[in-house]
Amino acid sequence: GAVVSQHPSWVICKSGTSVKIECRSLDFQATTMFWYRQFPKQSLMLMATSNEGSKATYEQGVEKDKFLINHASLTLSTLTVTSAHPEDSSFYICSASGPGQGKGNTEAFFGQGTRLTVV
Amino acid sequence: AQKITQTQPGMFVQEKEAVTLDCTYDTSDPSYGLFWYKQPSSGEMIFLIYQGSYDQQNATEGRYSLNFQKARKSANLVISASQLGDSAMYFCAMRELYNTDKLIFGTGTRLQVFP
Repeated sequence: GAVVSQHPSWVICKSGTSVKIECRSLDFQATTMFWYRQFPKQSLMLMATSNEGSKATYEQGVEKDKFLINHASLTLSTLTVTSAHPEDSSFYICSASGPGQGKGNTEAFFGQGTRLTVV
Repeated sequence: AQKITQTQPGMFVQEKEAVTLDCTYDTSDPSYGLFWYKQPSSGEMIFLIYQGSYDQQNATEGRYSLNFQKARKSANLVISASQLGDSAMYFCAMRELYNTDKLIFGTGTRLQVFP
């Protein structure tokens, strides 16, 4: 399948600082990217869906000013956690899909995830 | 509204036996894709199997098969000949093609395979 690279795999930051997480599609054009948040022993909660060149569509309850998503190119999307606080500590994972990729034109390919710890 | 339900928080199975993980879904979109993913403790999402809403045959991928019952809106995963390495979280997911284009997940089932 197609390859999606997410960086960094883990990060520790101080409360009040901002953290940027990158999600890159290495061998295909990702027209759609999904960003998820996962708490320990829970499911993946969709935070937002972004299409290249458009503003991201955020799920209800997700603060768009806190979780800034940029999808400026067909191979890169970024999630910036602004003014991070300990409650933002979580596992963040991205997935990307593109035309002609994967099963039934609906398959999305996942990055490795980023474990964020805010101290 | 788009929804995925996994009613089994945990399942146990003995090595070499088969196990079924349940998944039901709800959507008004006529065209959608159903997926199963495995998530080991490392956190990576491993694609297992896919079923399209218009597929006539149940999907199979090696030891994985998907029991797709469209009228009941269920997409259960069957793992045959369980192995110790199958112990992990398993997530059912659905992506609508027309309504929302979202990929959403069920709550997951933790499978433990014992010798």
